[in-house]
Amino acid sequence: SQQGEEDPQALSIQEGENATMNCSYKTSINNLQWYRQNSGRGLVHLILIRSNEREKHSGRLRVTLDTSKKSSSLLITASRAADTASYFCATDAMNRDDKIIFGKGTRLHILP
Amino acid sequence: DAGVTQSPTHLIKTRGQQVTLRCSPKSGHDTVSWYQQALGQGPQFIFQYYEEEERQRGNFPDRFSGHQFPNYSSELNVNALLLGDSALYLCASSQFGTGGNTEAFFGQGTRLTVV
Repeated sequence: SQQGEEDPQALSIQEGENATMNCSYKTSINNLQWYRQNSGRGLVHLILIRSNEREKHSGRLRVTLDTSKKSSSLLITASRAADTASYFCATDAMNRDDKIIFGKGTRLHILP
Repeated sequence: DAGVTQSPTHLIKTRGQQVTLRCSPKSGHDTVSWYQQALGQGPQFIFQYYEEEERQRGNFPDRFSGHQFPNYSSELNVNALLLGDSALYLCASSQFGTGGNTEAFFGQGTRLTVV
């Protein structure tokens, strides 16, 4: 079963604009990760945020985590055509078994 | 330093046949997890192997089985293929027991088509 649920399911924005995707999950976690997937190929790890962290940055990416609301957001600033992809959040369900569970993803399309 | 490698890249099989997919984890990783991703969906966890044993299993029938070798590489076997088994199969490697620091690295996947 899915642990995380991304919102929106799909998002189209103009190049240069910021894109925000949200993720909600159900159980307590050790960490939450965001992945990108291009054209149904392998998943590329973007960022990992631990449960005791509230915000993390990596280049044009900004991730926030609110454990009280069991939610996270991924912000991509100054979007580029190459950012067109599906984005997934994944959590590890805080049971120390290192299994990670994915949501259904947000399909982001950057318009030229 | 090689990342996660999967083979083959694409595969077409007939209903009822059996298939074996292979995965070599990232250097230094000892845990392999397998995922099935249907078109337009998120990856679904199949099972995880550590120390050559199946440690975790998702909601998949016994037709799905696996193996891990002493060099940490892994195989996913699917018997009696159904049309619904058509999907992208992803392998992820990680280091077991990192307690909240589990960054999983994925291979490029094997696209299985059952006809």
